[in-house]
Amino acid sequence: EVQLLESGGGLVQPGGSLRLSCVVSGFTFSTYAMTWVRQAPGKGLECVSGLSSSGDSTYYADSVKGRFTISRDNSKNTLFLQMNSLRAEDTAIYYCARSSLWNPAPNFDNWGQGTLVTVSS
Amino acid sequence: IVLTQSPATLSLSPGERATLSCRASQSVSGYLAWYQQKPGQAPRLLIYDASNRATGIPARFSGSGSGTDFTLTISSLEPEDFAVYYCQQRRNWPLTFGGGTKVEFK
Repeated sequence: EVQLLESGGGLVQPGGSLRLSCVVSGFTFSTYAMTWVRQAPGKGLECVSGLSSSGDSTYYADSVKGRFTISRDNSKNTLFLQMNSLRAEDTAIYYCARSSLWNPAPNFDNWGQGTLVTVSS
Repeated sequence: IVLTQSPATLSLSPGERATLSCRASQSVSGYLAWYQQKPGQAPRLLIYDASNRATGIPARFSGSGSGTDFTLTISSLEPEDFAVYYCQQRRNWPLTFGGGTKVEFK
């Protein structure tokens, strides 16, 4: 069974940092592209950052470029999102999602349950 | 690429047919997916590349369209189908989602 399990969310002050993790099981992690998608409370979906299966191609939304860094550890079946200089508008549920495709861009056949990030003083 | 979904809300009864629209601001070829999201849950992939049902999706869900105009049809609504539906394009980066259509009980 395919499983994706996010962790690392929580309450953080503006300007602070968090590191999200997504541990996967049930499939060969190294052969899938992975993406972080977020959803602000009561709002729609936004692609935040993506990483190809090989790790040599990345995407960042303009809103997070220079502040967030996506990475993966294939030996630990884990995807990461390092989030620095957090802002109130980063408050959202963060989902990790997998895709067998990268070009021209992915869609997502499996999602985690999400982890809530709240940026507030 | 901006995706505009209509209507914002669709009020229907079980057994009725639901027709949801997604219009792209420029051609996405056939690179369009549909997702279903229920409260407190992650999205679930229904349709990919305009008309292909994802694994395990019932046949009452179908997708059509190409270029800029796409449709998700639920042929006969089941109680578990009342949810929010999103379209998503993968024609190019940044991949984008529509604003969603809520299918609610009439």
